[in-house]
Amino acid sequence: GAGVSQSPSNKVTEKGKDVELRCDPISGHTALYWYRQSLGQGLEFLIYFQGNSAPDKSGLPSDRFSAERTGGSVSTLTIQRTQQEDSAVYLCASSNSGGAYIQYFGAGTRLSVL
Amino acid sequence: GENVEQHPSTLSVQEGDSAVIKCTYSDSASNYFPWYKQELGKRPQLIIDIRSNVGEKKDQRIAVTLNKTAKHFSLHITETQPEDSAVYFCAASIGGNNDMRFGAGTRLTVKP
Repeated sequence: GAGVSQSPSNKVTEKGKDVELRCDPISGHTALYWYRQSLGQGLEFLIYFQGNSAPDKSGLPSDRFSAERTGGSVSTLTIQRTQQEDSAVYLCASSNSGGAYIQYFGAGTRLSVL
Repeated sequence: GENVEQHPSTLSVQEGDSAVIKCTYSDSASNYFPWYKQELGKRPQLIIDIRSNVGEKKDQRIAVTLNKTAKHFSLHITETQPEDSAVYFCAASIGGNNDMRFGAGTRLTVKP
């Protein structure tokens, strides 16, 4: 595709429910990143994939958060038993591992936990 | 792990003035330093980047300087315009690979 695609664009859920957020990176990009951005705040790193493996998952805030990437392409971020403090915009980015490092961001998924 | 500090958190300038945002990093293996601009309600977009083998890079009204010895880099915007108003993020690569950490952001307001 032309850019990084994220779905859904908005998600409203009830406290305690599980949610899945999807990211489709730019074709051919082997590196994929998830960030969380609370209202008016910075980019909180969650996890970084190189291919299907995650060499750095140090940013996942709790064991309720998990992510996977299959086929070196699409990634899913899962939040179990959502809490109100999970409400934020979840941004995905991808980059070419050929040393360019430039990250291209998706439009994000706005998650609201009621 | 890598720690990227960014200052100031907010910056207000008059149209036409210059704006400077500064960042420091901790990982001596960092070799790539991008700057992203995020307008309200939009995704972050790269505006300029610099690699560790150069000390300065300029693109029209924006420039970035890097001091590897001191582990700090700065974004300079000259002749600011109202459309420069946004949040700016610095970032630094980790360990010479694709892993990256971002600063907390600077909200720049350019008053007409």
